[in-house]
Amino acid sequence: GENVEQHPSTLSVQEGDSAVIKCTYSDSASNYFPWYKQELGKRPQLIIDIRSNVGEKKDQRIAVTLNKTAKHFSLHITETQPEDSAVYFCAAGGSQGNLIFGKGTKLSVKP
Amino acid sequence: DAGVIQSPRHEVTEMGQEVTLRCKPISGHNSLFWYRQTMMRGLELLIYFNNNVPIDDSGMPEDRFSAKMPNASFSTLKIQPSEPRDSAVYFCASSFGGQLNSPLHFGNGTRLTVT
Repeated sequence: GENVEQHPSTLSVQEGDSAVIKCTYSDSASNYFPWYKQELGKRPQLIIDIRSNVGEKKDQRIAVTLNKTAKHFSLHITETQPEDSAVYFCAAGGSQGNLIFGKGTKLSVKP
Repeated sequence: DAGVIQSPRHEVTEMGQEVTLRCKPISGHNSLFWYRQTMMRGLELLIYFNNNVPIDDSGMPEDRFSAKMPNASFSTLKIQPSEPRDSAVYFCASSFGGQLNSPLHFGNGTRLTVT
């Protein structure tokens, strides 16, 4: 089955800097890669997703890149703000119809 | 839309007691998922339903856990008997067309503490 590894587990940046979170997956048949943001004590919410027919997708300060050959995908947040502080989860899904989540990255943005 | 509604928000119970968690998915969504979140194991899929039918329950830890979806607007996750290691946040989520075709919408979760 699918296995998703996410790094780093914690990330601390200064406000205004960029943050990058990386994930690798094992099932080459996976074709859907969403990212979820979970603020403390709240529910996970989708922030961006990418499908295997594109290599990059951007939405304002957030971008996701996908390298199917290497089986990894990344989340990039530019011009970070304190409200970006949260836990971010990557996920991969495809051949089995299931979505498998990474263990999460706790991002702290220091003002 | 009120979103996915879960109850209760918090549940504290003693070991050995039965626990029932409830979920109302977003109207029109035909897929429903139960997840468990802990610090050690992250977000784990327990079971999911498509059109009220259980599709994959391979994530259910053991026979103490059971889930039902009697109709399109209601699902329960039951733990009987509960154990301290069941303490976690349990999320229900719904989507239209499964996990891969549309975003998952999570409820606010039920924080379960078993003493």
